[in-house]
Amino acid sequence: GAVVSQHPSRVICKSGTSVKIECRSLDFQATTMFWYRQFPKKSLMLMATSNEGSKATYEQGVEKDKFLINHASLTLSTLTVTSAHPEDSSFYICSARGGVNQPQHFGDGTRLSIL
Amino acid sequence: AQTVTQSQPEMSVQEAETVTLSCTYDTSESDYYLFWYKQPPSRQMILVIRQEAYKQQNATENRFSVNFQKAAKSFSLKISDSQLGDAAMYFCAYRSFSSGNTPLVFGKGTRLSVIA
Repeated sequence: GAVVSQHPSRVICKSGTSVKIECRSLDFQATTMFWYRQFPKKSLMLMATSNEGSKATYEQGVEKDKFLINHASLTLSTLTVTSAHPEDSSFYICSARGGVNQPQHFGDGTRLSIL
Repeated sequence: AQTVTQSQPEMSVQEAETVTLSCTYDTSESDYYLFWYKQPPSRQMILVIRQEAYKQQNATENRFSVNFQKAAKSFSLKISDSQLGDAAMYFCAYRSFSSGNTPLVFGKGTRLSVIA
């Protein structure tokens, strides 16, 4: 079946560092990718929606200059957490969809810890 | 905007027994999808079952079935013959059936424990 690969699975870094998370669709072309953030024991919160070749649409309250999203190809989207601080520590999950009424497939998530 | 409500933060079930997880949603749309996702401790999101709103027949996947009541905007998940591996967070989700980049809207989740 369709697979979405998310990398890295775990990141620990110092405050002030920028961290890039990759999300790849392995066997389908993802016209749309979604980035979610999940706090411990909480639900998934949508951060942004991105389409290949266009700017991402951010949800209210999500800083676009803090969370840079690039969807440069039909199989790759990246989320860069710029100048990360401890409050950015969280679990980030990407999701990809091949078409309007296609299933939405999830990556395995990235646990980000900022010291 | 659509909202999804899961009123049971935690549930428990005895192994081999049946449990039902509740989900209600609010929408003004007539066509949409509903989903149940399972998130085990590994944090991977696993699709359990999917229902198209235009289908009257309730979806079934092996031990998992739904009770879809469109008029009541209710979408409960029934797990039969519960197994230890069913222990996880379960999220109900809604998605519009429309053109555009409509994302999944998730409920807050229900944590299911399975007692041996």
